[in-house]
Amino acid sequence: SQQGEEDPQALSIQEGENATMNCSYKTSINNLQWYRQNSGRGLVHLILIRSNEREKHSGRLRVTLDTSKKSSSLLITASRAADTASYFCATDANYGGATNKLIFGTGTLLAVQP
Amino acid sequence: DTAVSQTPKYLVTQMGNDKSIKCEQNLGHDTMYWYKQDSKKFLKIMFSYNNKELIINETVPNRFSPKSPDKAHLNLHINSLELGDSAVYFCASSSWTSSGANVLTFGAGSRLTVL
Repeated sequence: SQQGEEDPQALSIQEGENATMNCSYKTSINNLQWYRQNSGRGLVHLILIRSNEREKHSGRLRVTLDTSKKSSSLLITASRAADTASYFCATDANYGGATNKLIFGTGTLLAVQP
Repeated sequence: DTAVSQTPKYLVTQMGNDKSIKCEQNLGHDTMYWYKQDSKKFLKIMFSYNNKELIINETVPNRFSPKSPDKAHLNLHINSLELGDSAVYFCASSSWTSSGANVLTFGAGSRLTVL
């Protein structure tokens, strides 16, 4: 499968704590993206890291990418109850053709307890 | 203004029926997609159109037929619905960022339940 695997599948933390989610993938990529999905809603793009980057920050989000290990992590600092959602990594690569596809991971369900 | 809008949001129907889901985007994007999300939240790409031309067609039963009348619309028609078609179907659109990356904007989803 070309799909990314995420762990943990579910994570429960207290407000104010940091949350770390990991994503592993199988093929060479152009970039890796993280999306958030609130319950009953569509996915929302959070942050993108290119294959030649190792770390990126956006507000309370920090993403790292290790292409040698084919893995990425998303860190949410000082979590809030509103961060409760499912988080998906997505890899952008040329999967067997000239057209890029965005392939999503299995997702991590984050619950932030107030 | 909703950037990517899908209708209907909920669809409950009997096995064997034919149904359609419509999608429209007002972002001026060239590329549109259909993704299927199953009960385990696994999100799988089904189709992609670029400027009305089909560019991605995953291993999807031919009961599923996408149609793009113009680059702002991508509809999904499903014939002879089966129980396994029950899922949430997401429409998305994309354009290339200035750095050459493809970022998706999703609709809110259409939950299809086949009885």
